[in-house]
Amino acid sequence: SQQGEEDPQALSIQEGENATMNCSYKTSINNLQWYRQNSGRGLVHLILIRSNEREKHSGRLRVTLDTSKKSSSLLITASRAADTASYFCATVLNQAGTALIFGKGTTLSVSS
Amino acid sequence: DSGVTQTPKHLITATGQRVTLRCSPRSGDLSVYWYQQSLDQGLQFLIQYYNGEERAKGNILERFSAQQFPDLHSELNLSSLELGDSALYFCASSVAGGFGLLNTEAFFGQGTRLTVV
Repeated sequence: SQQGEEDPQALSIQEGENATMNCSYKTSINNLQWYRQNSGRGLVHLILIRSNEREKHSGRLRVTLDTSKKSSSLLITASRAADTASYFCATVLNQAGTALIFGKGTTLSVSS
Repeated sequence: DSGVTQTPKHLITATGQRVTLRCSPRSGDLSVYWYQQSLDQGLQFLIQYYNGEERAKGNILERFSAQQFPDLHSELNLSSLELGDSALYFCASSVAGGFGLLNTEAFFGQGTRLTVV
């Protein structure tokens, strides 16, 4: 079962533009995480935002969390070709849950 | 390099066969998670072990089983393989027993690409 659902499924932009991906989830959470996956490779953790945080920054990444709407967004500013990858949000099914459950991801393509 | 090692990287086998995938977690991590990634199903959580004990089960088929050994490495056994089992299988590790209450991240291996012919 999916906990997070990313939107859009695919996104194509030019280098230098900003990319925004959204994630909606179903149950209450303690934290939400974003991961990146380069084609056919393992997932890499990008950023974790706690339920009591509304916004978090890491380099060119900005994550927001709206627990009232059960949604999060990931903004990548000044995109580069190297940002081309799939991006996943992840959380647990419920507060007693242990494993991260991933959505189907947003595939970002950045062209130069 | 995440510190999580998976072997083999690629595996091609015939339907009906049995294979074993191996995962060594990051040094110090007690939890191991197995995921299956296919084009149509996305990234599906299969099973979690924590310090040798099964902690959580996801969408794992009865034909699949796993275990975690005293040295904390884990093996995922897939038997009576079908064409639909072709997928990327990932192992991830974390220091804690889960993500529900603790703000920890998962570290993923590079995966084993299984092709069933």
